[in-house]
Parts: sequence; C-alpha cells; structure tokens
Amino acid sequence: KAGVTQTPRYLIKTRGQQVTLSCSPISGHRSVSWYQQTPGQGLQFLFEYFSETQRNKGNFPGRFSGRQFSNSRSEMNVSTLELGDSALYLCASSPTGTVGYTFGSGTRLTVV
Amino acid sequence: AQSVSQHNHHVILSEAASLELGCNYSYGGTVNLFWYVQYPGQHLQLLLKYFSGDPLVKGIKGFEAEFIKSKFSFNLRKPSVQWSDTAEYFCAVNADAGNMLTFGGGTRLMVKP
Repeated sequence: KAGVTQTPRYLIKTRGQQVTLSCSPISGHRSVSWYQQTPGQGLQFLFEYFSETQRNKGNFPGRFSGRQFSNSRSEMNVSTLELGDSALYLCASSPTGTVGYTFGSGTRLTVV
Repeated sequence: AQSVSQHNHHVILSEAASLELGCNYSYGGTVNLFWYVQYPGQHLQLLLKYFSGDPLVKGIKGFEAEFIKSKFSFNLRKPSVQWSDTAEYFCAVNADAGNMLTFGGGTRLMVKP
C-alpha cells in the first residue's frame, strides 16, 4: 500500500514569507504527526492531529500551525519564516497514534 | 516530560563486528519504545518496537533490542553488521500510550567494508 506522501519535497523561501506543507497519510490512518529535524536540535515534535482535532502540540512558537482534513490529509503552515526554520519537516501517520508511526520522506525547507 | 539519551553519537565498525547502541530514557510511567533507522537520503524506517511482554524484541534486518526497566534502557544490538547497515539510528519513547514520540539525538553508524 502507498506510504506517507509529503509534498513538496524541496522548498526555498525568503525570510518573512509563509509556507504550507502537505501530508497524505497511509489509507486508514487517522493520526498524523509533524516533526522538525535539524542537525542541531535533532527530531522535535511539532503537533499531532486525530480526526481533525489537534491532540498535542510541541514547544514551538505560534507561527507554526497545522490542520487536518476530513480525509485525514494534513497541512502545516509556518508564517513569517525565519532563517532558523530551515529544516527537514517530517510527517508521520498511525492508525490511532499509540501504536507507532510510519514516516514520510519529508519536505526540506530552506529559508534564505 | 520525558527525555531520551543516546550516548554514542558516532560509531565506526568493521563488517562482521557486533553492534550495541545505547538508549536511556527518563520517565517514570509506562513507555512504548522504538528504534528507527534513517539510511542516507531515505526516510525514517521502523526497526523494532516494544510495548509490553517479552523485553527482548526482534526487529527487521537482524536487529534486536532489550528493554531493561530498572535501568530505563532500550539498547539496540546486532551480532554481525554489514556495510549496508551504515545509517543513523534513533531511539524514541512514547509515554503513557500518548501520541507523540520523543527522540534521542541519534547515533551515526559507519560500517567499513
């Protein structure tokens, strides 16, 4: 079956702009999580959605937001981009969120 | 809040050597434990997971891990590594059947042919 699909794979944005990243989970998975991966901070949890509701949020500023649609697809948005937002953003899906996650290939965001 | 430590940041081994990567977590409640691997240029893949029961769990590609509750550890092992095991390995914890993973800093493994 198809895995977790993230689009786009690469993005280059300018400081101050905003960006929207998309994630399509594995069919039947209702939980979608987002993580930020950087060389300095490693993998950090951003937020998790289940059935269109945000159940958990990591320690990130309010510029980072997300949503989940009725078909479980999810988007995350970063407004007023900063250079430090350059990272690999990973989406992961799970049937319920408590039995382990399958990760997508990520979107590599570069802010210049 | 829980935290995860992987003390070995870089490990270099020759093919056929045995591997053990350390993972310690700090959390007093119930945990689910995972090891993920990230091959160069690829996405995170689940190697193995522990939820309950036998503390020795076997995963894909000959990897295994042992949960030692008294030591808050979940070390990853492989008896004989191959060049294709070159990758970064991440230990992760999910606390109290919650819905977020806390990752360790990762261990970069290089296997010399």
